[in-house]
Amino acid sequence: SQKIEQNSEALNIQEGKTATLTCNYTNYSPAYLQWYRQDPGRGPVFLLLIRENEKEKRKERLKVTFDTTLKQSLFHITASQPADSATYLCALETGGYNKLIFGAGTRLAVHP
Amino acid sequence: DAGVTQSPTHLIKTRGQHVTLRCSPISGHKSVSWYQQVLGQGPQFIFQYYEKEERGRGNFPDRFSARQFPNYSSELNVNALLLGDSALYLCASSLGRGSHEQYFGPGTRLTVT
Repeated sequence: SQKIEQNSEALNIQEGKTATLTCNYTNYSPAYLQWYRQDPGRGPVFLLLIRENEKEKRKERLKVTFDTTLKQSLFHITASQPADSATYLCALETGGYNKLIFGAGTRLAVHP
Repeated sequence: DAGVTQSPTHLIKTRGQHVTLRCSPISGHKSVSWYQQVLGQGPQFIFQYYEKEERGRGNFPDRFSARQFPNYSSELNVNALLLGDSALYLCASSLGRGSHEQYFGPGTRLTVT
């Protein structure tokens, strides 16, 4: 069956450290993989997109890797801040026309 | 620039009733998608419209329907509401062809009692 898995347990880290979140998928062949941030009671906010032929993408303190052989994406936040505390969602785009398949998300808590 | 707007913000309905949710995309965006998000889960795809035509449909019953208007705004309709329809309903807009990132509205919180 098709699955997208993200760490179900919250990730707690100290301010200034690097947070690493994992997204694994099975039985999908996504052309694109996206990461979104979601705060409680609000809609997701787009962060980064990576294509199937790209290995790594960076934006400021964010870095995404995409390994289509392992069927895994890693999302890194360097020099983390308490303001980075949120739920981070991994989403696969497959089949065209903006249809996104989301994971359940990982809650990140950055402590001062 | 205004982002994606949705109305109403919150809604309480009774089982068996009908509900209409509304969405206005970002100016210039021609694609609108609808998602349902149950507490503790990621958003689940319901519909996608582009240029007023349905381009994608998720695994939802026929009680769910949608449409897109000439100004690219959209409505999601749900008939014969069930308790399990209680969720956050999210609308997302995108430029459309060749554009992949989606911009989400704040959502409509629907509670069915």
